[in-house]
Amino acid sequence: TQTVSQSDAHVTVFEGDSVELRCNYSYGGSIYLSWYIQHHGHGLQFLLKYYSGNPVVQGVNGFEAEFSKSDSSFHLRKASVHWSDSAVYFCAVNYGSSGNKLIFGIGTLLSVKP
Amino acid sequence: NAGVIQTPRHKVTGKGQEATLWCEPISGHSAVFWYRQTIVQGLEFLTYFRNQAPIDDSGMPKERFSAQMPNQSHSTLKIQSTQPQDSAVYLCASSSTGANERLFFGHGTKLSVL
Repeated sequence: TQTVSQSDAHVTVFEGDSVELRCNYSYGGSIYLSWYIQHHGHGLQFLLKYYSGNPVVQGVNGFEAEFSKSDSSFHLRKASVHWSDSAVYFCAVNYGSSGNKLIFGIGTLLSVKP
Repeated sequence: NAGVIQTPRHKVTGKGQEATLWCEPISGHSAVFWYRQTIVQGLEFLTYFRNQAPIDDSGMPKERFSAQMPNQSHSTLKIQSTQPQDSAVYLCASSSTGANERLFFGHGTKLSVL
C-alpha cells in the first residue's frame, strides 16, 4: 500500500519562530510530492511541489521543502512564521504507478501564537 | 479568473434524499478531481476526469455515488439515497493536465445529511 504520513497532528509555535512540518511516504518508484495549505472554511491552496532535480524546493510565502530519498521524507519548513500561517497543512503524493490521483496525508494543524 | 467554483456551499438533505453537487473548473483545465473531506478520514480521492472522460473512479463508493462531466465547463457529483455517513465536505479541483500539476481547489460543498 502506498501511503503518506504526517506524524504531527498539531504543532504550536510563536510568531517569528521557525517551523518544520514532517511528511513521510512509502517509496514506490517515481514519485511526485507536494504541499497544500487549507485555511478554515476554504479549499486547499498549493504551496510547492517536487518531482526531480534540486531536492530543496521553494514555495510561496517563504515556505520550502526538502526531498530525501534515503529518509522517504518531504518535510516543509519556514524560517519565521507569521500568525497568518495558522492553517492545516497537507502533504500529498502522486506515485507513478497510481498515476492519476494525489494521495493526501491526514494534515498538520499549525497554530501560530502572537 | 474566478477559480474553481462549487455550488452550493452548503446543502442539507434528509436521509434517503438525493444530493447533486456542482463544480465549474478553471477554463482551459483538462483535469477535474473530486475529493471528500471528513475529520476522521481526512481527504479521500473519489474520482478523476481528463478531457471530460472518466479516468479513475477507484475512490467512488460503488453504490449511490456517481459523477459526470457532460462538458468542459462543469462536473457533477450525485449521491442517491443520502445517508448520515455521507456528511462531509466535497472538494472539487482542476489542473491543466493531471495529478502531477498544481491542483486548484474550490471552496467545497458542505453536505449535511440529517
